[in-house]
Amino acid sequence: RKEVEQDPGPFNVPEGATVAFNCTYSNSASQSFFWYRQDCRKEPKLLMSVYSSGNEDGRFTAQLNRASQYISLLIRDSKLSDSATYLCVVRSDNFNKFYFGSGTKLNVKP
Amino acid sequence: NAGVTQTPKFRVLKTGQSMTLLCAQDMNHEYMYWYRQDPGMGLRLIHYSVGEGTTAKGEVPDGYNVSRLKKQNFLLGLESAAPSQTSVYFCASSYSSNRAASGKFFGPGTRLTVL
Repeated sequence: RKEVEQDPGPFNVPEGATVAFNCTYSNSASQSFFWYRQDCRKEPKLLMSVYSSGNEDGRFTAQLNRASQYISLLIRDSKLSDSATYLCVVRSDNFNKFYFGSGTKLNVKP
Repeated sequence: NAGVTQTPKFRVLKTGQSMTLLCAQDMNHEYMYWYRQDPGMGLRLIHYSVGEGTTAKGEVPDGYNVSRLKKQNFLLGLESAAPSQTSVYFCASSYSSNRAASGKFFGPGTRLTVL
């Protein structure tokens, strides 16, 4: 079983839509959680960390459910520029272990 | 701050040739990593380093060697390139475990083709 699993998509949504991605992780001892964004042929870039109480950054909301071992990313009022692949990343209690999901592709269409 | 930089950006090798990829970071990060990314496979960790002079194997270390002689640099070597090593290589760096909430910062990638 993979450490981190994501639906590869693609999610095709119109501009202005709200879209949500989930990601599940297998190690209950995982300590830190992140969402990264990766544009085509570019490096992954940190979008936001995910905190236990949930956190928001503009149109983006991230939530963590430790009991069910999943994290989510909600994007409101989607923009064309949100089109990218979103990577779920989990950092285990062993500090050098970051586990990357394979990514969820989002296409926002006019 | 330049962040994480990688050289070269592109390279084409013939089978059996050797090369070194250079990664540099100016954020004073303790940890550095080399990943490869292949279509549909996600990022896979090749080697990593938790400090100057230390390296360790990741998930897919075979065919690669690394060195961390200076804190800011992390080198990835291919001694005898094979077509299976055609990939995009990303270097990343991060703070140590006492800043566990921090994520990783990635370089722009090196696109390597082995013919």
